[in-house]
Amino acid sequence: QSALTQPPSASGSPGQSVTISCTGTSSDVGAYNYVSWYQQHPGKAPKLMIYEVTKRPSGVPDRFSGSKSGNTASLTVSGLQAEDEADYYCSSYAGNNNFVFGGGTKLTVL
Amino acid sequence: EVQLVESGGGLVQPGESLRLSCAASGFTFSSYWMSWVRQAPGRGLEWVANIKQDGSGTSYVDSVKGRFTVSRDNAKNSLYLQMSSLRADDTAVYYCARVRINLGYGFDYWGQGTLVTFSS
Repeated sequence: QSALTQPPSASGSPGQSVTISCTGTSSDVGAYNYVSWYQQHPGKAPKLMIYEVTKRPSGVPDRFSGSKSGNTASLTVSGLQAEDEADYYCSSYAGNNNFVFGGGTKLTVL
Repeated sequence: EVQLVESGGGLVQPGESLRLSCAASGFTFSSYWMSWVRQAPGRGLEWVANIKQDGSGTSYVDSVKGRFTVSRDNAKNSLYLQMSSLRADDTAVYYCARVRINLGYGFDYWGQGTLVTFSS
């Protein structure tokens, strides 16, 4: 049950694209297409942004997209906007009804 | 409107026990897995525990096994986390979250959290 590995920080200018990686193992990210991404603004509860690696819940802008290759999943935010500045966390199903989160990435919009 | 409201957090001493509650509304509570997720101050999210729809199956992160027990009362639309032998590293905001199996096990709704802190 080791945490997934994310870079602690990422940044980009308005309008640019930024990609955040999430590296796990063959027991979690690599084993299942059940990677989710969450956005958390300071003092707020997390919000589901991506599920099943690539899918967006209703209401999430299509500027947010997800992908996976092997044991690494990625979240790409295109056309960065000021309101995208937040912490982002990945999560993966890890089998046996267990889950694991990444350590989080602070996204700064310059 | 789906709502999850946690309660029961507070100031505790090491070794003490505490019971957290999560009141659910706006959806058929008995149809969903539910989870507890915690966040230590200034730190990331950590999944703590799951419980299946009828309470028949539970799972826990290794660090709380044997100390925490997740349960639910579907008649009261409520989720619980009984925490015992509390340690300083259990300090965190505890969120309850709904698990959507048909959304790839995503946590689609979260409460606002309840804070558990330790007195020195």
